Amino acid sequence: SQQGEEDPQALSIQEGENATMNCSYKTSINNLQWYRQNSGRGLVHLILIRSNEREKHSGRLRVTLDTSKKSSSLLITASRAADTASYFCATLLIQGAQKLVFGQGTRLTINP
Amino acid sequence: DTAVSQTPKYLVTQMGNDKSIKCEQNLGHDTMYWYKQDSKKFLKIMFSYNNKELIINETVPNRFSPKSPDKAHLNLHINSLELGDSAVYFCASAPSGRWDTEAFFGQGTRLTVV
Repeated sequence: SQQGEEDPQALSIQEGENATMNCSYKTSINNLQWYRQNSGRGLVHLILIRSNEREKHSGRLRVTLDTSKKSSSLLITASRAADTASYFCATLLIQGAQKLVFGQGTRLTINP
Repeated sequence: DTAVSQTPKYLVTQMGNDKSIKCEQNLGHDTMYWYKQDSKKFLKIMFSYNNKELIINETVPNRFSPKSPDKAHLNLHINSLELGDSAVYFCASAPSGRWDTEAFFGQGTRLTVV
């Protein structure tokens, strides 16, 4: 069953603006990860936040995690045309079996 | 050096055929996955292996049979291919039991069944 749902499904903004994507999930998790997928390519890991963390930064990326609401957000500041891609959240659950389950993804388009 | 490599990158075949996709990782990871990405970009987990042992089978039809000859390889064999099997298949690996590391993905295999 699908764990994560992302919102919005598509986002189009102007270069230089900030982009915010949200992810909700259903079960308890060990960590939540964000990945980027450029068109026709594989997934690249961006950032990981553990279940006991609330916020994490990496360069222009800021991730928040609210385990009480079972939600996370990814903020990309000062967007660039090269940020155009699909972004996926993924939740890791280690409970006997190790399972990494993806959300539906947000298609981000940065207009020059 | 490619961490997770899949072959072939593209596969076009007729309905009813049997085909295999190979995956190899040189990261020393214990856990490997197969995912299916459909035309709407939805990534669905299919299988998870840990040290050559099948751990998760997400209600995948029996026509799909993963095989792990050793922990560095996880191949996917598909029998009697159907039109609905057309998708991009991704292999991934990750260290097992670790809460603080990500998964590494192959570049994907685009399967087209005609």
